[in-house]
Amino acid sequence: GIQVEQSPPDLILQEGANSTLRCNFSDSVNNLQWFHQNPWGQLINLFYIPSGTKQNGRLSATTVATERYSLLYISSSQTTDSGVYFCAGVNMNRDDKIIFGKGTRLHILP
Amino acid sequence: GAGVSQSPSNKVTEKGKDVELRCDPISGHTALYWYRQSLGQGLEFLIYFQGNSAPDKSGLPSDRFSAERTGGSVSTLTIQRTQQEDSAVYLCASSLALTATYSNSPLHFGNGTRLTVT
Repeated sequence: GIQVEQSPPDLILQEGANSTLRCNFSDSVNNLQWFHQNPWGQLINLFYIPSGTKQNGRLSATTVATERYSLLYISSSQTTDSGVYFCAGVNMNRDDKIIFGKGTRLHILP
Repeated sequence: GAGVSQSPSNKVTEKGKDVELRCDPISGHTALYWYRQSLGQGLEFLIYFQGNSAPDKSGLPSDRFSAERTGGSVSTLTIQRTQQEDSAVYLCASSLALTATYSNSPLHFGNGTRLTVT
């Protein structure tokens, strides 16, 4: 079954808007990470967040491990935030296999 | 180096030929991962290394795919007798240690090798 599930699959917003991206993960998955893949394909690690909340500028993330979900918040979005956001976790049943969700494609309109 | 380095950045090959893709991880990173990403799709796990050892090879799509890592550093992904369905971006990532056993070990990706099989 699906072990890392992201929603929504696509999101179109006007510049300046705020957004919340969600990642649900199964019991066998831990050590969540969030990535941004820019339109040129480069993957950047945003947060390593097994639990709790972290903030970096306009971005913040919260993982509630006991409820098996993580949220990525983007405030005052800019066109450079466009791209695909992936969450990933370690499949504890398969040693250190890190599995990715299918991503949320975000498009920020100027 | 400062980041994960992959080469070549682009590779066009004819169906049936063999290709080698190289990944040079961040210095000191013991864990190395290979993923494949087809156009517009997510990341498909291929294989990971802890040091020179690959505990789980089940993600490799077929026996035409193999990978090795030497000296706990550079890794090579080899695809034999390439097929058109092998066309994709092959991404390499490294982390300080296995993320399951080390509490703060984020993944860092290279820019990938775009493979086109004609």
